Amino acid sequence: EAGVVQSPRYKIIEKKQPVAFWCNPISGHNTLYWYLQNLGQGPELLIRYENEEAVDDSQLPKDRFSAERLKGVDSTLKIQPAELGDSAVYLCASSLGPPWNTDTQYFGPGTRLTVL
Amino acid sequence: SQQGEEDPQALSIQEGENATMNCSYKTSINNLQWYRQNSGRGLVHLILIRSNEREKHSGRLRVTLDTSKKSSSLLITASRAADTASYFCATGGEKLTFGTGTRLTIIP
Repeated sequence: EAGVVQSPRYKIIEKKQPVAFWCNPISGHNTLYWYLQNLGQGPELLIRYENEEAVDDSQLPKDRFSAERLKGVDSTLKIQPAELGDSAVYLCASSLGPPWNTDTQYFGPGTRLTVL
Repeated sequence: SQQGEEDPQALSIQEGENATMNCSYKTSINNLQWYRQNSGRGLVHLILIRSNEREKHSGRLRVTLDTSKKSSSLLITASRAADTASYFCATGGEKLTFGTGTRLTIIP
């Protein structure tokens, strides 16, 4: 069974440029998460989707970050424009979601973003 | 914001020894999970312990939970070089909140 797929694995951009990350969750997983992980820290939730609905985006900096999950499967996270402080690893995760609510999340390898 | 804090922040032990790391959290929970993260990779789920459980085993892993103290511990027995990783506790169910992690180094 394929795990959570993310691309690209690495991205280097200059500040003020836009950047997008893509995630394909495990087949059959209804819930998808985007996390941000700074160096030496644990992941912090940015947004959570149940199917195509963003049910928790309270931590997403909406002035520059946006996300979509149009068909309830894969998802894209975008930053425009990127700032130096956005340099981090962006992790995508998925879980079965309702009605199973098993709470266990499966993570992709992440995208390491460097903003110069 | 981080819900939990792991202790110690870093731990180095000889291969074959046992490794113990602790997690403290702030609010009441339904369950607590432990994840492992190898360098440059995503997190891998290790074990989930529910609030009505006090101890749980999985292979070489033993997790305890003390809800009265809002703390959990992860014990890895007979450590191997492949156990070198960062270990995170997480609470919150659907909205996981992770601790700051313990960086474990196993010295061959």
